[in-house]
Formats: sequence, structure tokens, C-alpha cells
Amino acid sequence: DTAVSQTPKYLVTQMGNDKSIKCEQNLGHDTMYWYKQDSKKFLKIMFSYNNKELIINETVPNRFSPKSPDKAHLNLHINSLELGDSAVYFCASSQLRGLGLFEETQYFGPGTRLLVL
Amino acid sequence: AQKITQTQPGMFVQEKEAVTLDCTYDTSDPSYGLFWYKQPSSGEMIFLIYQGSYDQQNATEGRYSLNFQKARKSANLVISASQLGDSAMYFCAMREETGFQKLVFGTGTRLLVSP
Repeated sequence: DTAVSQTPKYLVTQMGNDKSIKCEQNLGHDTMYWYKQDSKKFLKIMFSYNNKELIINETVPNRFSPKSPDKAHLNLHINSLELGDSAVYFCASSQLRGLGLFEETQYFGPGTRLLVL
Repeated sequence: AQKITQTQPGMFVQEKEAVTLDCTYDTSDPSYGLFWYKQPSSGEMIFLIYQGSYDQQNATEGRYSLNFQKARKSANLVISASQLGDSAMYFCAMREETGFQKLVFGTGTRLLVSP
């Protein structure tokens, strides 16, 4: 019973292609995230959705478009892939408890390893 | 300015010994949370332990404890009785109340446990 799942696990594609990564969580959480981990292992937030609404949009090229059809799913579509997009993309989820109640631990999916050739 | 600093790129420890992984943070928010995650070579991110800024006691979870020194803005992870399976990357992360729930990560420390 995987809590946060991502598909595909590996993605190898050519420059210029468009690809999507899917994420699903069965934890009943209301907030989902996309993080990017670069070749030096540095992790950085890209996007976050709370109840299907975008709440975080870091300085990410607009070739990246997240979509949340419902609060259990958050997909990431990438247009016109570039070499620099090669990375591991992690989906995560948490439950927002409201102001002043702070422990919303984020649980991560297994990651999608994207290689752009 | 770096919000999370992990100054140890790599650490070695012998099996059954304790090890401390350092983490310092920078925030002006009065309310924040500090997290440690483990990333083994298989690549997944595993949540280990959480410390809230208002928590009076240091967090503990099994062999993991967090040495929280608020005035020094440090949140070091202590792993007691190291095991071979503890060999992994360890990331410290912070979430600020004003940060819309995003986690800001440090650069990580690679821990190697030797027999």
C-alpha cells in the first residue's frame, strides 16, 4: 500500500519532447508538492497545491505546468524538454492543519528519474 | 543567504557508535518546523524526525534524536548505535510559517557506516 506513488520511475527522452509525470497519494492529504533534485543532490520546491489550488509557484520555467485534477493527484507536464531538465523529480504530500498547528510532515514519493538526451 | 546549512559533506562512523550530523538554520519567523530526511542509495526520501520551534523538549524517534538549540539556531541529528543500513544521505529541512508549507533543504550530509 504505497502512500505516495509516482509514474514513471524512469524516463529517458530526447530534447524537445513533451512528457508527463504522475503522482497519487492515498494518505488523505490536502496538499501536494513537486520538488526537483539536481545532480548535486540539492532539493528545491517547484510547485504546491492545496485542495487543487496552486499555492506555491517558485521560479520555474513556464514549460513546466502542474495540474491537480483532485486533491489525491498532482501531475507535472514538461514541454520542450531541455538537457538541464535532467534530474530526479519528487512528489510529496502533507495535511494542512491550519494556522498555529504546525506538524504537517511531508511524505515523499519514490522519485522519477528524468534523463534528457 | 542560506536558510539551512549542513557543513559536513561526508561523515564516517563505525557500527554501533553514535554520530551527530550538524544543521544550522536561519529564519526570522517565530514559528517554524525542522525536519530530517534520509535518502538511501535507492533514492527515496524517508522522513525521520520533526522538531517544532515551540517544542520544549528535543524530539526523539527510536535511535534518532534531534539536538535542538534554539538560541544557536541549530538542529543536529543524533543517530545512536549506528547500523550499516544507516549509510545514506541525510537532509535537514525547514518550513517557515510564512513559507506556504514549502520545505527548504540543506545540501545534505553523506553518512558512511563501516563494520
